[in-house]
Amino acid sequence: ETGVTQSPTHLIKTRGQQVTLRCSSQSGHNTVSWYQQALGQGPQFIFQYYREEENGRGNFPPRFSGLQFPNYSSELNVNALELDDSALYLCASSPRGTAQFAQETQYFGPGTRLLVL
Amino acid sequence: DAKTTQPNSMESNEEEPVHLPCNHSTISGTDYIHWYRQLPSQGPEYVIHGLTSNVNNRMASLAIAEDRKSSTLILHRATLRDAAVYYCILRDNSLEYGNKLVFGAGTILRVKS
Repeated sequence: ETGVTQSPTHLIKTRGQQVTLRCSSQSGHNTVSWYQQALGQGPQFIFQYYREEENGRGNFPPRFSGLQFPNYSSELNVNALELDDSALYLCASSPRGTAQFAQETQYFGPGTRLLVL
Repeated sequence: DAKTTQPNSMESNEEEPVHLPCNHSTISGTDYIHWYRQLPSQGPEYVIHGLTSNVNNRMASLAIAEDRKSSTLILHRATLRDAAVYYCILRDNSLEYGNKLVFGAGTILRVKS
C-alpha cells in the first residue's frame, strides 16, 4: 500500500510568483487536507477537500487555492507569493466514510519545503 | 486556537518509560484526545487516540484522567527513534472544527543514549 506522496520535495520561488504543489492520497482515501508549517511551529490548517469539494478552510487568504481530482489527488496553488509563505507544506489524506470526524486518522506525506526569496 | 497545553520540552533516557502530559481543561464531553508525533524532517504521524478509557496500541499507551481534563501519552521504552515533537490534539464531530487537526507547539522529546 502506497502512502501519501508529495511533489516536489523542495522548491525555490521569488516573491510575486505562483506555485503549485501536488499530493497523491493514500489508496482508498477520499479526503485531503493541506497544512502550512512555519519553522519551529506546529502545522496550521489551510483547507480540506472531500470528494472534489472544499470542505472547510482555515485562516488563509484567497490566494491560497486548491483542487481535488476524481482520483482524489490534490493540488495546492499559491498566487502572488510573499516571503512569509516560506514553509513546509503538508498534505494529509484520510478515509472519510462512516467514521465520525472525531475518530478519524489523518495520514501525512513528507511535505514540500517552499522557500520564497 | 489550540485547546491543549503541553510542556515545551522533555528529556528521557533510552530504554526508560516516558510520560508526556497534556492539559485540556476545557474539553467537552464529545471531544476525542488524539496524539500525533513528528520526527525530524518528516510529516506528522498518528500515534493514538481515545475518549474516556485508557488505550493501548503497539506504539504507546494513552492514560486519560477521570475528569478528562488531562491525559498522558506513555512510551514504555523510549528509543532514539522516538525523539520527535509530540502533539496532543482534541477533535470533535462538528463541521466547523472537527474536520481539521489543530496543532499547538507540542512537546519536543529528546532521548539520550
